[in-house]
Amino acid sequence: GENVEQHPSTLSVQEGDSAVIKCTYSDSASNYFPWYKQELGKRPQLIIDIRSNVGEKKDQRIAVTLNKTAKHFSLHITETQPEDSAVYFCAASGIAGSARQLTFGSGTQLTVLP
Amino acid sequence: SQTIHQWPATLVQPVGSPLSLECTVEGTSNPNLYWYRQAAGRGLQLLFYSVGIGQISSEVPQNLSASRPQDRQFILSSKKLLLSDSGFYLCAWSGGGASGQPQHFGDGTRLSIL
Repeated sequence: GENVEQHPSTLSVQEGDSAVIKCTYSDSASNYFPWYKQELGKRPQLIIDIRSNVGEKKDQRIAVTLNKTAKHFSLHITETQPEDSAVYFCAASGIAGSARQLTFGSGTQLTVLP
Repeated sequence: SQTIHQWPATLVQPVGSPLSLECTVEGTSNPNLYWYRQAAGRGLQLLFYSVGIGQISSEVPQNLSASRPQDRQFILSSKKLLLSDSGFYLCAWSGGGASGQPQHFGDGTRLSIL
């Protein structure tokens, strides 16, 4: 099955700096890569996603890049703000059993220091 | 638009007692449904998923079970809770199909076992 590794596990940046979180996946058949943000005690919320036919996608201060050859994808947050502080999860969509499933990374605790 | 409801929000149960958590989805038909567990400060562990009524796949052997009695209803149960069952339980739904789809999470149930 799919295996997703996420780094770093914790990341502290100064407000206004950029943050980068990286993930690698194992299943070359995976074709969908979402990123979720989870604030303390809340549900994970989808913030951006990318499909395997696209190399990069941007949404305001957030961007995701995908390198299918190397099987890795990254989340980039520019001009970070304190409200960006949260746990971020990457995921990759592979086939398991009868359905496409998401395999999640272990999460990155991002802290933006004011 | 689609919405997902999950209840109760919090639950405190004694060891050995039964459990029933319910999740319903509105605004879509024939969704894929998922139950995850998240231990404090940890990642998302997929427990069960379902691609249709009465179709349940288990990812992790445990004393929990799941049922899907209706198209948009997903229930997580246990006959006898263990201390290790404590955690944050999240229900999620996604569309079906051959390509990966985003999963949308409910607000979760925080379960404490005493």
